[in-house]
Amino acid sequence: SQKIEQNSEALNIQEGKTATLTCNYTNYSPAYLQWYRQDPGRGPVFLLLIRENEKEKRKERLKVTFDTTLKQSLFHITASQPADSATYLCALDVLPPNNRKLIWGLGTSLAVNP
Amino acid sequence: EAGVTQFPSHSVIEKGQTVTLRCDPISGHDNLYWYRRVMGKEIKFLLHFVKESKQDESGMPNNRFLAERTGGTYSTLKVQPAELEDSGVYFCASSPLAGGYNEQFFGPGTRLTVL
Repeated sequence: SQKIEQNSEALNIQEGKTATLTCNYTNYSPAYLQWYRQDPGRGPVFLLLIRENEKEKRKERLKVTFDTTLKQSLFHITASQPADSATYLCALDVLPPNNRKLIWGLGTSLAVNP
Repeated sequence: EAGVTQFPSHSVIEKGQTVTLRCDPISGHDNLYWYRRVMGKEIKFLLHFVKESKQDESGMPNNRFLAERTGGTYSTLKVQPAELEDSGVYFCASSPLAGGYNEQFFGPGTRLTVL
């Protein structure tokens, strides 16, 4: 069956360290993979998108890698801050253009301790 | 620029009643999506509008759910009659270009509780 798995356990790290979150998928061939952040009581907020032919993407303190052979994406937050505490969601875009629909992981809760 | 707005923020209804959720996308966005998150589960796609047309409604659970997008602007999602398993948070999202790829902008969600 088709499945997307993210770190099931909450991640607790110390301020200033690098947080690494994992997204693994099976039985999909996504064209794109996206990472979103969600805070309690709010909708997801887009962070980064990486295409199937890209290995790595960076934006400020964020870095995403995409390995279509391993069927895995890693999401890194460097120099983490307490304000980075949130749930991070991985979403796959598995359909061609004109049919934009996202398939979501359950999310990983990140807590950055001061 | 105003973001995606949803109304109401919370709704508590009895099983068998009708509820209508509204979504106002970002002005000018052709794509509008409805998603639902049931407690403890991942966000699930419900349907996708391009302007006023339903592009993909493969995620709609059953015929108790009816979505419309009047004139390609705001959208409503009606649940009639509501069942207990319809409880969850309903998110609406929009994105700019029909046929193009871009990030989705989400509203804050409507939390629906069916008693």
